Amino acid sequence: EAGVAQSPRYKIIEKRQSVAFWCNPISGHATLYWYQQILGQGPKLLIQFQNNGVVDDSQLPKDRFSAERLKGVDSTLKIQPAKLEDSAVYLCASNTGQVYNEQFFGPGTRLTVL
Amino acid sequence: DAKTTQPNSMESNEEEPVHLPCNHSTISGTDYIHWYRQLPSQGPEYVIHGLTSNVNNRMASLAIAEDRKSSTLILHRATLRDAAVYYCILRGSTLGRLYFGRGTQLTVWP
Repeated sequence: EAGVAQSPRYKIIEKRQSVAFWCNPISGHATLYWYQQILGQGPKLLIQFQNNGVVDDSQLPKDRFSAERLKGVDSTLKIQPAKLEDSAVYLCASNTGQVYNEQFFGPGTRLTVL
Repeated sequence: DAKTTQPNSMESNEEEPVHLPCNHSTISGTDYIHWYRQLPSQGPEYVIHGLTSNVNNRMASLAIAEDRKSSTLILHRATLRDAAVYYCILRGSTLGRLYFGRGTQLTVWP
């Protein structure tokens, strides 16, 4: 079974530039999550999708971050404009949609903002 | 969401058992105890979860205190590959979200 795919794996940009990350969840998984992991900390949930609808985006800085999940499959997370403090690993995860089922994580995208 | 407390770091020798503790004194009756681990440069991976009874799987065992205010993840024979950050997470029924703390950094010595 293929895992959660993310691209790119690494990205370096300058502050005020834009950047987008892509995630392809495990086939058939209804729920998709985006997390931000700053160095030395645990992942922090940014947004949760159920199929193509947003379930929770309370931790998403909506003035600069946006996310969508087209047709309930792939998802993109965008930052515009980026700030220095956005430097982090952005992780995508998915699960079947059952509340207590395990989440499967992708390898993440490491973003460096200069 | 209820919080967990874990030691910042622990060490073990290869092939020895490891007991990773977690305190969760404010756990509610419907919270499941989940453990994930994160190997270097990888996303977290699921290890085990339980509600009240002790649980075993191919990766580890989970021992849950009778009052559910603490739990222990047991790796029966540590290998070098088990060196990772281990997160103890209480997962409630609200959307099933995971709240990660800083976890315990496990170092395994050969």
